[in-house]
Amino acid sequence: NAGVMQNPRHLVRRRGQEARLRCSPMKGHSHVYWYRQLPEEGLKFMVYLQKENIIDESGMPKERFSAEFPKEGPSILRIQQVVRGDSAAYFCASSPQAGYTEAFFGQGTRLTVV
Amino acid sequence: EDQVTQSPEALRLQEGESSSLNCSYTVSGLRGLFWYRQDPGKGPEFLFTLYSAGEEKEKERLKATLTKKESFLHITAPKPEDSATYLCALDQGGSEKLVFGKGTKLTVNP
Repeated sequence: NAGVMQNPRHLVRRRGQEARLRCSPMKGHSHVYWYRQLPEEGLKFMVYLQKENIIDESGMPKERFSAEFPKEGPSILRIQQVVRGDSAAYFCASSPQAGYTEAFFGQGTRLTVV
Repeated sequence: EDQVTQSPEALRLQEGESSSLNCSYTVSGLRGLFWYRQDPGKGPEFLFTLYSAGEEKEKERLKATLTKKESFLHITAPKPEDSATYLCALDQGGSEKLVFGKGTKLTVNP
């Protein structure tokens, strides 16, 4: 059973470009969580999604950031018009049910904005 | 105000030198406290979940304990491969988000 797959592992974008981060949950997992880890900071919750639904996006910046988890395919975290402050490691976790007891994290996408 | 505080920020040990990492928290309605290990460039790897004061869990050289205000991760006779950043995270009732501490970076020298 493959783990949580995130791609790309590294992404470089110029200021103003769009960044798309993908997260394929483990087989059988229908709950996805996104976290951001800024340098020298702890992981910060961004959004919690179930298939086709955003359940909690209280950690998402109000502008430029969006997330989806379609019926088919990976979950996508989209950052429009990136700025240098968006440079961070973005992690997703997936779980077969709500909660983290059986959740696993992916290896992350490291976004660098130049 | 930080809800989760980990100390120390960094810890250097000699191989075989036992020690403890601390995670203090101030939230009420704790649903669970999680410990993760994170290696450089990798995602958090699950270690333990503790649910109530007095609970203890062990795995190899690691033992996690929980009180009403803090949790400890005890490392007995550590080896260089235990070098990593150890993260503590809280699962609060009524929310589906983990609140993470900043971590303790552990280095074990041979």
